Amino acid sequence: DVQMVESGGGLVQPGESLRLSCTGYGLTFRDYWMTWVRQPPGKGLEWVANINRDGSEQYYTDSVKGRFTISRDNAENSLFLQMKNLRVEDSAMYYCTNILAATEPAEYFQHWGQGTLVTVSS
Amino acid sequence: EIVLTQSPGTLSLSPGERATLSCRASQNVRSSYLAWYQQKPGQAPRLLIYGASTRATGISDRFSGSGSGTDFTLTISRLEPEDFAVFYCQQYEYGGSPPNTFGQGTRLEIK
Repeated sequence: DVQMVESGGGLVQPGESLRLSCTGYGLTFRDYWMTWVRQPPGKGLEWVANINRDGSEQYYTDSVKGRFTISRDNAENSLFLQMKNLRVEDSAMYYCTNILAATEPAEYFQHWGQGTLVTVSS
Repeated sequence: EIVLTQSPGTLSLSPGERATLSCRASQNVRSSYLAWYQQKPGQAPRLLIYGASTRATGISDRFSGSGSGTDFTLTISRLEPEDFAVFYCQQYEYGGSPPNTFGQGTRLEIK
């Protein structure tokens, strides 16, 4: 079975930084584009960022551009999200997910982790 | 940005009934790049349908998707107790900003 396991969330103050990690199990990690999706408590889903298979291309939603950086280490089957200058509105559960490969260029989010909670509050 | 509007916000039905959930896009969704996800309380979303009508691996044939252009539908025939959850639609637009957007969700609750 495929599993995504996120970690690194926590409680931080506005303006601080946090680095999220996600490790994939049961899949050939390097074969997939990867994505971070977030969900504020009690609210809907929001796409945050994508990274291609070798890490050479990254894409972000406008609200995080210049503050968040997505990266990956295929040797460690790992995905990262470096978050800087965090805002209250960044508070959410952050999920990592792979993009279903068979349907590219369409982006459908196939296997999801259980998420890691980020809370930004003073 | 393509905005997805789901209706109804909440749907109350009984097990055994048929559920019809709607997702309307503000612009044409090219190539029917639309998916549906189910999310149960305390769990991550699960991919149900992609390409508007293709069931993901392991998804019951009680779930079906249809539609094209701006109007899409998720139908669940013969509701089972485990089907009750929140459902989201999601579209992909090549070159869009952002390329992926989600609807606000429809809550399917037991009547």
